[in-house]
Amino acid sequence: GAGVSQSPRYKVAKRGQDVALRCDPISGHVSLFWYQQALGQGPEFLTYFQNEAQLDKSGLPSDRFFAERPEGSVSTLKIQRTQQEDSAVYLCASSPTGMSSYNSPLHFGNGTRLTVT
Amino acid sequence: AQKITQTQPGMFVQEKEAVTLDCTYDTSDPSYGLFWYKQPSSGEMIFLIYQGSYDQQNATEGRYSLNFQKARKSANLVISASQLGDSAMYFCAMREAPWRAGNTPLVFGKGTRLSVIA
Repeated sequence: GAGVSQSPRYKVAKRGQDVALRCDPISGHVSLFWYQQALGQGPEFLTYFQNEAQLDKSGLPSDRFFAERPEGSVSTLKIQRTQQEDSAVYLCASSPTGMSSYNSPLHFGNGTRLTVT
Repeated sequence: AQKITQTQPGMFVQEKEAVTLDCTYDTSDPSYGLFWYKQPSSGEMIFLIYQGSYDQQNATEGRYSLNFQKARKSANLVISASQLGDSAMYFCAMREAPWRAGNTPLVFGKGTRLSVIA
């Protein structure tokens, strides 16, 4: 079956450029998460959607980061005026249940590796 | 304060041998879930095994088992009969019950790189 799909797989941006990263979750999955994974580190939470509602954006590092999921399926993470410290792998994950189901595993995509030069 | 601690940056194991990857966690919440994920060089995070805080028995999934010691706040992953394909990064993660905050994200440790030697 289809898993979580992320595109592009790799993105190189010059400092100051805007980028948009796409996540296509498993069909019917209610919850969608974005994580940032720096080299040699574990993933760190960025933001959470339940259907189209962004219920938690406490992990977004600055107001240059913006995420949306307008129809409750595909999500886009946008980074404006990229900086070198934004270089990381951005992982998207989805889950069939809502936020109250803390025992439900997340299904991750392969990630987008962003390099800011 | 770090919620998930994985003290082994790298581990080596001989093929067909068993290996234990350590994980300790920190929470004051009585309700939480513990997860282990595998991340091969391709980058995808693959779910391996889950243990709930109220589960009486240690979780098992094929060659994976979780040595859950609640009083010690320890959730070590045991891989039996290691295979070359087990070489990857392994992450321990925890999610607390969302009593107050509304959303409690999955929090990861820094990971352990496992290398299986033929």
